[in-house]
Amino acid sequence: NAGVTQTPKFQVLKTGQSMTLQCAQDMNHNSMYWYRQDPGMGLRLIYYSASEGTTDKGEVPNGYNVSRLNKREFSLRLESAAPSQTSVYFCATSTSDRRNGYTFGSGTRLTVV
Amino acid sequence: AQSVTQLGSHVSVSEGALVLLRCNYSSSVPPYLFWYVQYPNQGLQLLLKYTSAATLVKGINGFEAEFKKSETSFHLTKPSAHMSDAAEYFCAVTSSLNAGGTSYGKLTFGQGTILTVHP
Repeated sequence: NAGVTQTPKFQVLKTGQSMTLQCAQDMNHNSMYWYRQDPGMGLRLIYYSASEGTTDKGEVPNGYNVSRLNKREFSLRLESAAPSQTSVYFCATSTSDRRNGYTFGSGTRLTVV
Repeated sequence: AQSVTQLGSHVSVSEGALVLLRCNYSSSVPPYLFWYVQYPNQGLQLLLKYTSAATLVKGINGFEAEFKKSETSFHLTKPSAHMSDAAEYFCAVTSSLNAGGTSYGKLTFGQGTILTVHP
């Protein structure tokens, strides 16, 4: 029972490069989320998908795009990475009513140089 | 809208002492409240949750929290700290209600409290 799987776990990018962070879940949850975590700032929502086929912006969507490929997978793309996007990225999932909170992946640590 | 304030970005206790981590929330609709723990270089793990049943909720590792509507608080406590409790703790709020176009449908996190436990 893997839960929420994120790949890769670590990545170093040069400014201007692009990459896609992958997230897959076997929880059968409808909703999926991408957060970034920076020291002293808690977790900030980048994008979310309430259900398959829908995506919406969160607090800090600039510089990112997402794709909800199917119910299981939700990817986050950085088209042209910037040093300000150096962060730890977490994918999370939940049921539609969020009664049990979120289930988190183990994170992707991204450094942009 | 909804928000969470965690009072104290760092809390330090001695092993065996009471742990008290403070959380105040703001929500215009009945909230669901959560505490998560994050150990170094790991994801967030759910400690406990309040979803409008009992106001005193018990979680894993001996932690508990009490929902106080009049004080809009959801403080986390543990009677006796253990070295293994050293971690960062996050309080979070959401709601089961989806008020169209607002932030109700998502989990909003506090900025976190780092707990240090001294021998």
